[in-house]
Amino acid sequence: DIQMTQSPSSVSASVGDRVTITCRASQDINIWLAWYQQKPGKAPKLLIYAASSLQSGVPSRFSGSGSGTDFTLTISSLQPEDFATYYCQQANSFPRITFGGGTKVEIK
Amino acid sequence: QVQLQESGPGLVKPSETLSLTCTVSGDSISSYYWTWIRQPPGKGLEWIGYVYYSGSTNYNASLKSRVTISVDTSKNQFSLKLSSVTPADTAVYYCAREVGGAFDMWGQGTMVTVSS
Repeated sequence: DIQMTQSPSSVSASVGDRVTITCRASQDINIWLAWYQQKPGKAPKLLIYAASSLQSGVPSRFSGSGSGTDFTLTISSLQPEDFATYYCQQANSFPRITFGGGTKVEIK
Repeated sequence: QVQLQESGPGLVKPSETLSLTCTVSGDSISSYYWTWIRQPPGKGLEWIGYVYYSGSTNYNASLKSRVTISVDTSKNQFSLKLSSVTPADTAVYYCAREVGGAFDMWGQGTMVTVSS
């Protein structure tokens, strides 16, 4: 199976900060990568699909980039509602889908 | 507006079979891939498997021997059965819709505890 490694595992940031999360795949996954946001007690919410396509209704401060094995999720100006855990997910080996371990964005 | 809702027992005894159902409203189940994903307490997400409306399935290799996912198009539902459960199967179980390699709609999740 394709392994997905996220870094950092946690990050402390302030409102207004620019935050970047990295996801690395163990092999080339083209652009078959999605990003999710999960708040405590809630289901994950799709933010980005196909590496850089913004899901409908998601604020434009979220952006994704990358292809191949290295990907990033950027929050351009962190808002109070953005404190959550973020997961990447690959679908290149569909249906053998795998998720990254998660990155928790905490208040500094 | 598409909604997914999981239902089923919240407590299952070790060695028994976990059974959950996901009811889809606002869209026909006769398209897309319909998926089960789980999340142990305090841990990350694990894909369990999917079913297509035609009935074709595919499962996570690590669970394949114990998992069955089926679909009932007449009820707009799909179901998960996980046999021979152990405490390691304790998790929040989510149903989700897959589109283009991503999961765009999720149920709220249901907590299943495996304990005697």
